[in-house]
Amino acid sequence: ILNVEQSPQSLHVQEGDSTNFTCSFPSSNFYALHWYRWETAKSPEALFVMTLNGDEKKKGRISATLNTKEGYSYLYIKGSQPEDSATYLCAFPSGAGSYQLTFGKGTKLSVIP
Amino acid sequence: KAGVTQTPRYLIKTRGQQVTLSCSPISGHRSVSWYQQTPGQGLQFLFEYFSETQRNKGNFPGRFSGRQFSNSRSEMNVSTLELGDSALYLCASSSNRGTNEKLFFGSGTQLSVL
Repeated sequence: ILNVEQSPQSLHVQEGDSTNFTCSFPSSNFYALHWYRWETAKSPEALFVMTLNGDEKKKGRISATLNTKEGYSYLYIKGSQPEDSATYLCAFPSGAGSYQLTFGKGTKLSVIP
Repeated sequence: KAGVTQTPRYLIKTRGQQVTLSCSPISGHRSVSWYQQTPGQGLQFLFEYFSETQRNKGNFPGRFSGRQFSNSRSEMNVSTLELGDSALYLCASSSNRGTNEKLFFGSGTQLSVL
């Protein structure tokens, strides 16, 4: 059974603050690491799929880094806005190219205007 | 391009009944996965279909089953419903053109078992 851990469980930040949270995953047999954003009453939306150690991906004010050797990924949000309020999920596939993802329980971000 | 469509949006059933949920993937996507979301457990993988074949199955009892049609539309069925089956069921599709493609999720079916 794969263990994917996310911390913190929830986070409240002021508008304009930058923030980051962590996803930990098994460092052996690494295939890929997915990040999704899930806003209330909407569908989960893919942010990044990361595959290479040391990889860094960016989408607007959101970026992510990956360390496969130690089994963690960081998600950063620069200058948080109220529309960034969502639950951020990371997920780890069971095999190469597999869509059987093990999800972490997520970090719920609330941005206070 | 239309997104992933799930029907119905809400369902209320009683214990012992069975239910069928439907998912239409994004046009051209041949992989369809199903996930269950509960407050305590988070998102858990049910099964994945590709070209009408089940490729992977999660750790759920046999009461949970699914299938995929030649047009890639998929259904999942839960028989002999239990109170613990109350959850949001999400369907996701992918192009499967290569490894590590992202998933596109539908809005889900909220199932309540009374």
